[in-house]
Amino acid sequence: DGGITQSPKYLFRKEGQNVTLSCEQNLNHDAMYWYRQDPGQGLRLIYYSQIVNDFQKGDIAEGYSVSREKKESFPLTVTSAQKNPTAFYLCASKSTGGFYGYTFGSGTRLTVV
Amino acid sequence: DQQVKQNSPSLSVQEGRISILNCDYTNSMFDYFLWYKKYPAEGPTFLISISSIKDKNEDGRFTVFLNKSAKHLSLHIVPSQPGDSAVYFCAASYFPSGSARQLTFGSGTQLTVLP
Repeated sequence: DGGITQSPKYLFRKEGQNVTLSCEQNLNHDAMYWYRQDPGQGLRLIYYSQIVNDFQKGDIAEGYSVSREKKESFPLTVTSAQKNPTAFYLCASKSTGGFYGYTFGSGTRLTVV
Repeated sequence: DQQVKQNSPSLSVQEGRISILNCDYTNSMFDYFLWYKKYPAEGPTFLISISSIKDKNEDGRFTVFLNKSAKHLSLHIVPSQPGDSAVYFCAASYFPSGSARQLTFGSGTQLTVLP
């Protein structure tokens, strides 16, 4: 059963700590994306990767970092430099050809305590 | 600069009536448009799409209309059901030279269908 798996579903972080959100896909998609959703706001692009070992900043990359060492995996690290990390984080992937839309994971809710 | 705009943050409709969600875009290069539906604490799921060579696409209760001259698209849901209550995102895509296709999302419209 192909899809995108995000873990954990809920994550709590103390101020000043880094935390890594996992995103794994078995769809054989080349491109992967991280979005952030805040209450009443749309989806804002954090980082994206078109191929392995390459990634680009999105609109709100400050305070975040990513890696793309494997096609299947695109973890997002929320660093202590991110001033307002509490949000709902969504990972997505897309194949190179065919359908132009993204497939999304079920999201991770990060709360800073 | 928001290239895709959903100017209505919320919409309430009576069950059985029509829901019309609107989306405007500014980039004339967009050639493919999608609607996604999102429930709380879940990822968005694809609903329906339309290519710029068409002006209408229908799938069951869902119809998307595209008016290229006005740079406007709309999603019609008929009849609306309580299970349709969700946030709906409009998205647009084009193929920039030297890069790959990406989606640009609107800010979403919360649809509430009242029983």
